[in-house]
Amino acid sequence: NAGVTQTPKFQVLKTGQSMTLQCAQDMNHEYMSWYRQDPGMGLRLIHYSVGAGITDQGEVPNGYNVSRSTTEDFPLRLLSAAPSQTSVYFCASRLQGSTDTQYFGPGTRLTVL
Amino acid sequence: SQQGEEDPQALSIQEGENATMNCSYKTSINNLQWYRQNSGRGLVHLILIRSNEREKHSGRLRVTLDTSKKSSSLLITASRAADTASYFCATAPSQGGSEKLVFGKGTKLTVNP
Repeated sequence: NAGVTQTPKFQVLKTGQSMTLQCAQDMNHEYMSWYRQDPGMGLRLIHYSVGAGITDQGEVPNGYNVSRSTTEDFPLRLLSAAPSQTSVYFCASRLQGSTDTQYFGPGTRLTVL
Repeated sequence: SQQGEEDPQALSIQEGENATMNCSYKTSINNLQWYRQNSGRGLVHLILIRSNEREKHSGRLRVTLDTSKKSSSLLITASRAADTASYFCATAPSQGGSEKLVFGKGTKLTVNP
């Protein structure tokens, strides 16, 4: 299994541009989440999904959209990038009814100029 | 807002010494988890302790939980240079489940050879 994969690893955007961060998992996990990590901070939850077709907001959802059309994929869309969205983004997944362990991807480092 | 707060923010020790990190949280939890993050990488799950447990061991790791004080500690015994990383506690709130983990800001551990 590849686990949780994220693309791209690095991205630089200009203010106002849009883009999609990709996340995929091959473990058949129902739960998937997106977090952002800012310097000296822990992770903050952006959006999460408990299954295909179901998404919900986390702590910091503004400026981001998600969709979950398949179990495997959970893309995160930035509609109009702002410098405040400069961060490292992590995707995670978890199996329903498991020991609650979340599996994290390697992250995408995003810079918005 | 972040619920977990780790203490200390940074810790530097010699190889072979024990490292203790503390985590405090604010609201009722279902479980508390500890994760490790090596520089530039994603988070890796270390250990989970449920709200009805007081102590748990895994290899060189020992976790305690005091729900009356809303605090937890992570002890790494006989530390190695490879233990150098940031360590985060994450709480799963009683309302919401582990897909809404709340992370602290982390303790940066440096183990000197």
